[in-house]
Amino acid sequence: DGGITQSPKYLFRKEGQNVTLSCEQNLNHDAMYWYRQDPGQGLRLIYYSQIVNDFQKGDIAEGYSVSREKKESFPLTVTSAQKNPTAFYLCASSITGFSFTGELFFGEGSRLTVL
Amino acid sequence: ILNVEQSPQSLHVQEGDSTNFTCSFPSSNFYALHWYRWETAKSPEALFVMTLNGDEKKKGRISATLNTKEGYSYLYIKGSQPEDSATYLCASSGDDKIIFGKGTRLHILP
Repeated sequence: DGGITQSPKYLFRKEGQNVTLSCEQNLNHDAMYWYRQDPGQGLRLIYYSQIVNDFQKGDIAEGYSVSREKKESFPLTVTSAQKNPTAFYLCASSITGFSFTGELFFGEGSRLTVL
Repeated sequence: ILNVEQSPQSLHVQEGDSTNFTCSFPSSNFYALHWYRWETAKSPEALFVMTLNGDEKKKGRISATLNTKEGYSYLYIKGSQPEDSATYLCASSGDDKIIFGKGTRLHILP
């Protein structure tokens, strides 16, 4: 089945450690996105990529890094510089990223807890 | 885009009743309005993406309208069923950004 796979679903990390969240899609979509959800808030955009080997910062990119070496993969690294990393992270993709007019397809999310 | 507001934040509806909720968004530099349904422990799923003022879309018992001039969209659910229990997200896109509202949490009471 085509879709987006995020792993792991749950992740615990100690303060000061970097952690990488995986996002893979087999929909042949050009654009991929990372969102963060906190209680009582809407989804906030961390990074997005409209094409392979290119990505842009979203609204809350500080403390995060991404790469887009393959069309189907868009991993997110939460670095130790991210001051409040405990959150729920959603990955999404769309056929194209132009002006964000396309429907987004989401993964099931990864919940990161920093101990 | 400044902010996308959804109301109410939470809603309890008796099974079989119809309901609706609102999404308001800044009308300047608008490209598209998205509605997503997010059931617990699942991925958010797109319901509608609308771009034209006056647009109305329907999928089964769920429909949506769009007013881009005044910056609002309504989502209607006719004859609510238990499977409609979910969080409904609205998002507005434009200026190479997409902004999500906080969602409306719908509970269907048996």
